[in-house]
Amino acid sequence: NAGVMQNPRHLVRRRGQEARLRCSPMKGHSHVYWYRQLPEEGLKFMVYLQKENIIDESGMPKERFSAEFPKEGPSILRIQQVVRGDSAAYFCASSRYGQGETQYFGPGTRLLVL
Amino acid sequence: AQTVTQSQPEMSVQEAETVTLSCTYDTSESDYYLFWYKQPPSRQMILVIRQEAYKQQNATENRFSVNFQKAAKSFSLKISDSQLGDAAMYFCAVSGDKIIFGKGTRLHILP
Repeated sequence: NAGVMQNPRHLVRRRGQEARLRCSPMKGHSHVYWYRQLPEEGLKFMVYLQKENIIDESGMPKERFSAEFPKEGPSILRIQQVVRGDSAAYFCASSRYGQGETQYFGPGTRLLVL
Repeated sequence: AQTVTQSQPEMSVQEAETVTLSCTYDTSESDYYLFWYKQPPSRQMILVIRQEAYKQQNATENRFSVNFQKAAKSFSLKISDSQLGDAAMYFCAVSGDKIIFGKGTRLHILP
């Protein structure tokens, strides 16, 4: 059974470029969550999506950040015009039934903005 | 709003000994879940143990067990017979409408 897949594992971008982070949930899971982890800190919730729907984006910055989970294909977290403060580890998790259920995490994408 | 507090930023334990990591939380949800996740140096988040708030019985997974005190909103993790591979950051989390994580406790295992 494949777990949650994230790619790329490491991403380097220069200030002003775009970053696209991909997440494929576990088989049978239709709920996806994105978290950000700054160095030496816990995970901060960003957004919760089901197929084709954003359920809760209360943790997403209002500008430059967007997320989608299309009917086909992986979930995408997109960061436009990246700044140095966007450097962090971004984790995706998935669950079968939604909030409250156990979330299984991917290995994360480490974004470094130069 | 939900909050999770882990008051021990770092802890150390001798190999084969027992250690308890503390966690307190606050939530207005009546139905929620509590989790402990482990993050080793690889930074992969690994589920250690899960507790449903409506269950009085403390969850157990092999060497890992919790002491869940619902009235006190306390959810501590006990690791018995500590092993070198247990060295990691441990995050406590509460799930209602979203999962909220504490800041973590870094656990060192002394050989």
